[in-house]
Amino acid sequence: DAKTTQPPSMDCAEGRAANLPCNHSTISGNEYVYWYRQIHSQGPQYIIHGLKNNETNEMASLIITEDRKSSTLILPHATLRDTAVYYCIVRVRSNFGNEKLTFGTGTRLTIIP
Amino acid sequence: DVKVTQSSRYLVKRTGEKVFLECVQDMDHENMFWYRQDPGLGLRLIYFSYDVKMKEKGDIPEGYSVSREKKERFSLILESASTNQTSMYLCASSTAGQYNSPLHFGNGTRLTVT
Repeated sequence: DAKTTQPPSMDCAEGRAANLPCNHSTISGNEYVYWYRQIHSQGPQYIIHGLKNNETNEMASLIITEDRKSSTLILPHATLRDTAVYYCIVRVRSNFGNEKLTFGTGTRLTIIP
Repeated sequence: DVKVTQSSRYLVKRTGEKVFLECVQDMDHENMFWYRQDPGLGLRLIYFSYDVKMKEKGDIPEGYSVSREKKERFSLILESASTNQTSMYLCASSTAGQYNSPLHFGNGTRLTVT
């Protein structure tokens, strides 16, 4: 699996857009980019994933660069409840599910009131 | 909603004890995973299973074993607990047969070995 690099921590003002970067310069053509977050004392929660096109759902947007070597997770209007550790991982496309996923240390996002 | 349930939130065991961590999912998922989480190290994969009675080693399987006798249940076993196995343990599941289905995690078991 490709390795990902994220900044260890970031702050964002409440109500502003939070932009979390992820570098995955060794990503292969069949590897998806996934984002999860973990709020204190809970298990990680799935946010969004994509292959090469930008994606949006009710939680966030994912922008993947054209060369796919980096991506940005955007929380459009951050709230205090978005304070969490955010993990970016890359995952090989598999129809059999027999894959292993490697999480890094993530970015600790703090939303400032 | 998918539910992944881990039997205990907190567990305290003594060195040398045999420890069972249980995980049950209610969505008929084929894949199940055990991770441990330690400060500064992120989540590390211990074992995973993609079918009943099937198991694969993850990145740090030493000192652990697993059991998957039923599709909905995946157990992590510490044969002889040691203090360096004090950690947060997270179970997850996902469905196979669909490209890149998300993992669904339980809320974790915080194990302390004294």
